[in-house]
Amino acid sequence: SAVISQKPSRDICQRGTSLTIQCQVDSQVTMMFWYRQQPGQSLTLIATANQGSEATYESGFVIDKFPISRPNLTFSTLTVSNMSPEDSSIYLCSVEAVNTEAFFGQGTRLTVV
Amino acid sequence: AQTVTQSQPEMSVQEAETVTLSCTYDTSESDYYLFWYKQPPSRQMILVIRQEAYKQQNATENRFSVNFQKAAKSFSLKISDSQLGDAAMYFCAYRSELGYGGATNKLIFGTGTLLAVQP
Repeated sequence: SAVISQKPSRDICQRGTSLTIQCQVDSQVTMMFWYRQQPGQSLTLIATANQGSEATYESGFVIDKFPISRPNLTFSTLTVSNMSPEDSSIYLCSVEAVNTEAFFGQGTRLTVV
Repeated sequence: AQTVTQSQPEMSVQEAETVTLSCTYDTSESDYYLFWYKQPPSRQMILVIRQEAYKQQNATENRFSVNFQKAAKSFSLKISDSQLGDAAMYFCAYRSELGYGGATNKLIFGTGTLLAVQP
């Protein structure tokens, strides 16, 4: 199993500002995933964070808006840039174990005012 | 592209009773994984059960079992002897077999079913 620590757990931000979310895993993992869960909605993959290379973004998500860092095999950050109220969501970090089971962080509840 | 559909936005069950949550999916792949995740108000996503598509036998985990119908692309979750702690949002999810057709091993989620358990 994997234990994921995600920070902050929640934040209220002013529009136009940026927030960086951190994800720390207690073991080395190849890929880390960032998901967005809009209010009352399902989870949608933003990007896959690969160590040593640029993140792979899903359709509808761009690096300028959601820059991702992956400096090592246990840590990643997601930045939500130039925020607007539409960015108010829960953001979740996830990793996958070798048996394909996915583990999730506790999520970051972001409110943009 | 693969899709996952959960047609029941909300369900309710009496404590100790049995409830079945529905999930259908669409894919052209033959090898894949299916999952049920539970998300309580704490937001923590918890794996409930998983099924490999190549296995004909339905997966079971204690009070949780699935009815996997590959030809029909159906993957329902049965919760037996429901408990108050089972109340949560339940998501059905699909994952391609690693490396299949260049697909990544991301999860594709359905829209979720909110389960209420009545005492």
